[in-house]
Amino acid sequence: GAVVSQHPSRVICKSGTSVKIECRSLDFQATTMFWYRQFPKQSLMLMATSNEGSKATYEQGVEKDKFLINHASLTLSTLTVTSAHPEDSSFYICSARTSSDTQYFGPGTRLTVL
Amino acid sequence: GQSLEQPSEVTAVEGAIVQINCTYQTSGFYGLSWYQQHDGGAPTFLSYNALDGLEETGRFSSFLSRSDSYGYLLLQELQMKDSASYFCAVPPSPRDNYGQNFVFGPGTRLSVLP
Repeated sequence: GAVVSQHPSRVICKSGTSVKIECRSLDFQATTMFWYRQFPKQSLMLMATSNEGSKATYEQGVEKDKFLINHASLTLSTLTVTSAHPEDSSFYICSARTSSDTQYFGPGTRLTVL
Repeated sequence: GQSLEQPSEVTAVEGAIVQINCTYQTSGFYGLSWYQQHDGGAPTFLSYNALDGLEETGRFSSFLSRSDSYGYLLLQELQMKDSASYFCAVPPSPRDNYGQNFVFGPGTRLSVLP
């Protein structure tokens, strides 16, 4: 199957700093990527839909100025958590959609904000 | 809006058969997907039902009844490695409609006992 990578896999940062997470589709082009957040023992919650070459579409309740998304190419989308706070600590997962509408998930990024 | 319901936990023994149910309420419906997620890992795709009936893939089968807004995942010959969380999900709409949410159910924690 298709492969999606995320970097970093784990990050610890101080409160107030910004963190960038990369999501790459390694062997296919993805015009659409999705960003999810998952708190412990909870389900995945869609944060935003990232479209190559255009602005991301954010879900209700997700602050677009706090979670900056850039989909600069057909194989790369980035999520930047700006001015991170402890409540932003979570597991962030991206997925990329293939031309046949199948979604493949990245391995996730564990963010811990101290 | 869209919502899905699943049992929170299921426990079974090795070699047994277990069924995980999912009921959904959606404003638009393009099929039901199932994902497996081990602790600390990303979701992995198991199956997708767009039409009514049973889809079999090895030890796992998935069923859909659109008239009942209901589906289930059937796991046979359970193995210890099947212990994980299982999510039903309503996938995005076709490619030309980016506005649809990709909604995950709350997840069912399956524990397989020796």
